Parts: sequence; C-alpha cells; structure tokens
Amino acid sequence: EDQVTQSPEALRLQEGESSSLNCSYTVSGLRGLFWYRQDPGKGPEFLFTLYSAGEEKEKERLKATLTKKESFLHITAPKPEDSATYLCAVQELQGGSEKLVFGKGTKLTVNP
Amino acid sequence: NAGVTQTPKFRILKIGQSMTLQCAQDMNHNYMYWYRQDPGMGLKLIYYSVGAGITDKGEVPNGYNVSRSTTEDFPLRLELAAPSQTSVYFCASRPWTGGAYGYTFGSGTRLTVV
Repeated sequence: EDQVTQSPEALRLQEGESSSLNCSYTVSGLRGLFWYRQDPGKGPEFLFTLYSAGEEKEKERLKATLTKKESFLHITAPKPEDSATYLCAVQELQGGSEKLVFGKGTKLTVNP
Repeated sequence: NAGVTQTPKFRILKIGQSMTLQCAQDMNHNYMYWYRQDPGMGLKLIYYSVGAGITDKGEVPNGYNVSRSTTEDFPLRLELAAPSQTSVYFCASRPWTGGAYGYTFGSGTRLTVV
C-alpha cells in the first residue's frame, strides 16, 4: 500500500492558468513533508519542507500547504519554465533513522 | 561548493558484470542515501548511512552493497548485474540536523544492463 500518493499523474496548463497538485500520505508520526522539482535527466531539486498542519511556504509562483492528511502545491500564473515533475516525499522514522518515502510525482507541462 | 557528485553519468553493463557507482559530497553531511528511480515509480531507497562506518538496508537492497569509510564518500556496488537493475540511481545527503534545508541530490547515474 502506497504511503504517499500524488495526483494527478500529469497536468497540462496554459501559461497563466493557476492550479494545484495534491499529495496525500498515510504515515503516522510525520517528521516532515518535502516537495522537490525534477527536470528531465536531472536530480531532484529541493523546494520546501513542511512540518505541521497549517504550515505554508512560498517561493516565487509556488506555495505549499499542509494538513494532517495531505499537502497541496499551488502554482499561481505558471510559466513554461515551471514545466517539470514535482515530487512529494514524507520523512518518517524507520529502524531508528529518518528516511524519505517518495510519491510517484506529477508531471506538469505549461504551454505558452 | 560542488554539493553531491555522482560518477559515472551513464553506463552500460552486460549481465553478470559488476561495477561501483561513486558518490561524494563536500558539505560534511552525516547522512547519505542511495535511491533508484524507475519510470512511473517513485524513488526507492536502496541503502543509507548515518555516518562513517555505519550503513543499513533500505527498501530494495538485494543485489547491492555499500560501504562508508569516510564522511565524504558513499559508493554503491552492484555485483552480478541483472536487467532488473536497469534504472537511474541517485545519491543524496543531509546534515544531522534534519531535513529543514532538504536532502541534496546528485545528478544521477543512468545504468542499463543488457
């Protein structure tokens, strides 16, 4: 059973068309929820860490929010350069050490 | 500041061959991780290390081995390569203070086993 589920799998937007990506999780004892951006052929690039329900963080056109069961990545007035795969991951304690568990990602395409 | 450096970037192996994927970080991070990423799947944890001399298995460790003799280096060894090990491999690191500043990932090694 997936612990981290992202939706939709793929999203196509027109430039300037705002939308949201969803990440739902089932881990208990959340020790952080992470958002990453991944461009083709590159490693994941860190965007945000959220730790508690109600927390919000912003970076340029991106805003991440967190509830007790899910997180949203809001994209306001996106540009073509925002096209990428966005990965959500939760940090949980396993075997005495913290590790990241990833979702499968949402591939975002922004058309000019 | 190079961050996390992975070599090689690409490699083709024949079934049964062995190789070592190199990972080095210059941020003095205690924690280091190896993930593999397959198309349409999330990153899966192979092995991790909490410091020099300490390693442990992740979710998908079969067919791999690791060592951590220094803080900087965390090589991943593939013995007797199989087609199922065709994947993109990412190394990551973070400081002991936690993930507030994120885990730093390398640019990956794309491995094909034929």
